[in-house]
Amino acid sequence: SQQGEEDPQALSIQEGENATMNCSYKTSINNLQWYRQNSGRGLVHLILIRSNEREKHSGRLRVTLDTSKKSSSLLITASRAADTASYFCATLTGGGNKLTFGTGTQLKVEL
Amino acid sequence: DAGVTQSPTHLIKTRGQQVTLRCSPKSGHDTVSWYQQALGQGPQFIFQYYEEEERQRGNFPDRFSGHQFPNYSSELNVNALLLGDSALYLCASSLDLYNEQFFGPGTRLTVL
Repeated sequence: SQQGEEDPQALSIQEGENATMNCSYKTSINNLQWYRQNSGRGLVHLILIRSNEREKHSGRLRVTLDTSKKSSSLLITASRAADTASYFCATLTGGGNKLTFGTGTQLKVEL
Repeated sequence: DAGVTQSPTHLIKTRGQQVTLRCSPKSGHDTVSWYQQALGQGPQFIFQYYEEEERQRGNFPDRFSGHQFPNYSSELNVNALLLGDSALYLCASSLDLYNEQFFGPGTRLTVL
């Protein structure tokens, strides 16, 4: 079963604009990770935020985590056409390295 | 340095048949996890192998089985295929049970 959901399910923006995607989850986590998937192929790891962190940056990416609300957001600044993809949040809970994915946000960046 | 590789890329089977998918982990990684991704959905965890043993298992029937070899490569076997088994099967490897997972390109399985 899915751990949580991304919101919105689909997002269409113009190149240069910022894109924000939200993720909600259900149980306590060790960390939360964001992945990108192009055209139904393999997943690319974007960023990991631990449960004791509130914000993290990586290049044009900014991730926030609110454990009290069980939610996270991914901000992509100055979007490019190449950012067009599906974005998934995934949570790591308990022992081991089992990732539980959300339902994904389809981002389309138009020229 | 090669990343995670999977074979085959695409596969078409009929109901009731058996299938074997293969995965080679990223160099230096000893943990392999398998995920099933149905169309339009997020990946779902099938199981994870470490030191040639299944360490964790998701909510999948016994028709799904796996193996890890001494060189850390892994196989996913699915018996008695159902139409609902049609999906993208993703393999991921990591340094150990607790580190970031790197995903392969996936195997697209179609069951007719």
